Amino acid sequence: GENVEQHPSTLSVQEGDSAVIKCTYSDSASNYFPWYKQELGKRPQLIIDIRSNVGEKKDQRIAVTLNKTAKHFSLHITETQPEDSAVYFCAASRTGGFKTIFGAGTRLFVKA
Amino acid sequence: DADVTQTPRNRITKTGKRIMLECSQTKGHDRMYWYRQDPGLGLQLIYYSFDVKDINKGEISDGYSVSRQAQAKFSLSLESAIPNQTALYFCATRDRYQETQYFGPGTRLLVL
Repeated sequence: GENVEQHPSTLSVQEGDSAVIKCTYSDSASNYFPWYKQELGKRPQLIIDIRSNVGEKKDQRIAVTLNKTAKHFSLHITETQPEDSAVYFCAASRTGGFKTIFGAGTRLFVKA
Repeated sequence: DADVTQTPRNRITKTGKRIMLECSQTKGHDRMYWYRQDPGLGLQLIYYSFDVKDINKGEISDGYSVSRQAQAKFSLSLESAIPNQTALYFCATRDRYQETQYFGPGTRLLVL
């Protein structure tokens, strides 16, 4: 069945360093790839997304890249700050599809 | 996101009890979802609905049932709660033309 694998499960970085989280999807028909951030005790919230007709998208300190051939997509956070500490979920879905498939999540710790 | 609300926010119940978790939304979205989140794990889909006449099972529907009372309301029931249903439950909504999902604040359930 469809699945999304996410690595690493835990990531610890020093404040100011960069963080990279990687995901691989199985359904080649997937064309929408959102990233959600879940702070401790809070709900997941969309932070950035990318569609399959785009290879890269940036929004200030965060960026997402997509390699359709390899079915990989990644989240890059530069100049990390303590408030970036959270669980990050990647996901994949297709236009008109019924479900969004989520990765297992990455717990990011940013040490001050 | 106050547009998606869940009640109760926390619930403690005993094995064998029937309980209902409720979700309401004012976003006007037709698609609604129930997810379960266990510690260290991602979001597992329990049930989803595209309108009041449409109910679909997700990955882990056993032991759960749902009711879509109106476009804005989607309830999740545990017919006979068991301890391994202890988890964080999220409701989410989505517009049919947009892939982004909007999550409720979550219900933390403890089954003793």
